[in-house]
Formats: sequence, C-alpha cells, structure tokens
Amino acid sequence: GAGVSQTPSNKVTEKGKYVELRCDPISGHTALYWYRQSLGQGPEFLIYFQGTGAADDSGLPNDRFFAVRPEGSVSTLKIQRTERGDSAVYLCASSLMGGTAYGYTFGSGTRLTVV
Amino acid sequence: QKEVEQNSGPLSVPEGAIASLNCTYSDRGSQSFFWYRQYSGKSPELIMSIYSNGDKEDGRFTAQLNKASQYVSLLIRDSQPSDSATYLCAVDNSGGSNYKLTFGKGTLLTVNP
Repeated sequence: GAGVSQTPSNKVTEKGKYVELRCDPISGHTALYWYRQSLGQGPEFLIYFQGTGAADDSGLPNDRFFAVRPEGSVSTLKIQRTERGDSAVYLCASSLMGGTAYGYTFGSGTRLTVV
Repeated sequence: QKEVEQNSGPLSVPEGAIASLNCTYSDRGSQSFFWYRQYSGKSPELIMSIYSNGDKEDGRFTAQLNKASQYVSLLIRDSQPSDSATYLCAVDNSGGSNYKLTFGKGTLLTVNP
C-alpha cells in the first residue's frame, strides 16, 4: 500500500480483555517496528521485526504483550489481560531495510483505551 | 538508561520569526539524529535527519548537530501558523541496535498569526 495502515484506529476494551492491533506496512518494506506513545510522552520502542522474525523484542513491557509477523508483511500486536496502564497510542512503522538511517514511516496509530 | 531531553515548552513565536528547538542526548555513541513533527492527534512525521556535525538545511528547516556537546537543534525560519505542532527529537542507539530510536518527550511549538 501507499502508507503504513493500522487498524482499528480506536479500540475501547474492558480491563482483563484480550485485544489485537493490526499493522500493514508499506509494500516491500522488510523492517517493521511497534512503538507505544502515552499522553505527553514520546514514542517508546516495543519490538522490531526483520522479515518474519522478531529481531528485538526487548521493549515489550511484560509477557502479556506479544507480536507476530508470520508472512513478513502484516504484523499483529496482541495484548492479553489488558490493564488500564496499557492505554496509549500504539504506533507501527516500517522501513525499506533495518536501521534508522533509512528513516521510519509511521502509521496513523491505534488509540487503545482500557476502561 | 539512554535519554533524550527536550524542553517541553510551550514555545510561542510570532509568525515570520525563527523558532529554535533544542535537544540533548546521553548516548555518546549515537550516530543518527532525527526531528519528527507531530500534529495533535496525528502520528509523527519525519522532517529532518542529520548524521554529521554541523548544519543541514532543507527549505525553512535547519538541523544542527554537535556530537561533542551531545546536542541537536532544529531551526525553523519564517515560522508559519501551520508549523504549530509538537516536535520530537529522536536518537538512535549505539551498541549495534541501530534500528531502535529513543525519543524525547517533544516540544510544543505555537506560531501566533
């Protein structure tokens, strides 16, 4: 596609529920990143995929968070047993190759609200 | 903990003035530096990148880098009301993880007509 697409744009869920957030990167981009942005903060790194594999998942806050990219294109961020502290905007970015020198293109984000 | 510090603002300038945004970083090994613009309710948009000491100009924007002082700045000349946004400074991480960016909290810029 022309840009990074994220769905849904907004998600409201109850505490304890499971949610999935989807990211469709720019066609041909092998690198995909998930970031989380809380109110008044800059984006924080969660996970980086190169192709199908998670090259670095050191930013995932705990084992309730998991992400997959089974075919090297679309990625899904999964959050189990959601907590109110998970409320944030989840941003996906992609780049042609790994490495910041190629620049990130962010999607429009998914605003997650846990009530 | 690798940190990127920005003055949260708000920074208010009149239309036509020069806006100066500053950023310091703690990771001395960082090699890539970026400025993103984020309008309220929107996602960050890359506007400048800089990798070498000195100045880099692109239209009304100039990025300045001083690695010895661990300092990055963004100048916006002839500021327009449409430049009103939060400006995020981002720095890569040394030690092999050059795909990971650390962002500052951002500086809110308001350009008054």
